[in-house]
Amino acid sequence: DTGVSQNPRHKITKRGQNVTFRCDPISEHNRLYWYRQTLGQGPEFLTYFQNEAQLEKSRLLSDRFSAERPKGSFSTLEIQRTEQGDSAMYLCASSSGTGGWGETQYFGPGTRLLVL
Amino acid sequence: AQSVSQHNHHVILSEAASLELGCNYSYGGTVNLFWYVQYPGQHLQLLLKYFSGDPLVKGIKGFEAEFIKSKFSFNLRKPSVQWSDTAEYFCAVISTGNQFYFGTGTSLTVIP
Repeated sequence: DTGVSQNPRHKITKRGQNVTFRCDPISEHNRLYWYRQTLGQGPEFLTYFQNEAQLEKSRLLSDRFSAERPKGSFSTLEIQRTEQGDSAMYLCASSSGTGGWGETQYFGPGTRLLVL
Repeated sequence: AQSVSQHNHHVILSEAASLELGCNYSYGGTVNLFWYVQYPGQHLQLLLKYFSGDPLVKGIKGFEAEFIKSKFSFNLRKPSVQWSDTAEYFCAVISTGNQFYFGTGTSLTVIP
């Protein structure tokens, strides 16, 4: 059973650098979500894709953040000009897309970003 | 905006003790409710969910939760905890959309 996978698992970067994370959802899942989780907090929604279309974006997703899902399969999340406040765990989740709104989301292990 | 409140940030119990973790949400419309668990070093996993029907839902590993609409609550319970239940527990709410709103989590430590 292959779940959601994310790469890299850890990333250390210097302030001002760009970083890109990858998420591979469960096969045939149409919906893909990105969340950010900081220490002591629950995951916060960033954005959501239905196939290749980005349908929702949180106000948390500043102009420095961009997400893509070009072929409706894997997704990338890029952060440009990283800031120390970007340090967090970035989580990806997917869902089948057949259950209507509010269906169960399956989470990946996350990418932990540390900006020095 | 929706919000989810988890009242207990840290809970320490001895094995065999009963557990109840509180969860309240602020949205007044139709909601789906979830409890996720994150064991040490592992990713978030679904524990149980409520979509409709019987407000008492049973999940994996002996957990259950009760949806009380009048109280906007979805508390998680387990009659007898085990050391292996040591984990972080997150309540989540979703309304007519696909945005999950998570609580801040409750860290449970079970002492053998």
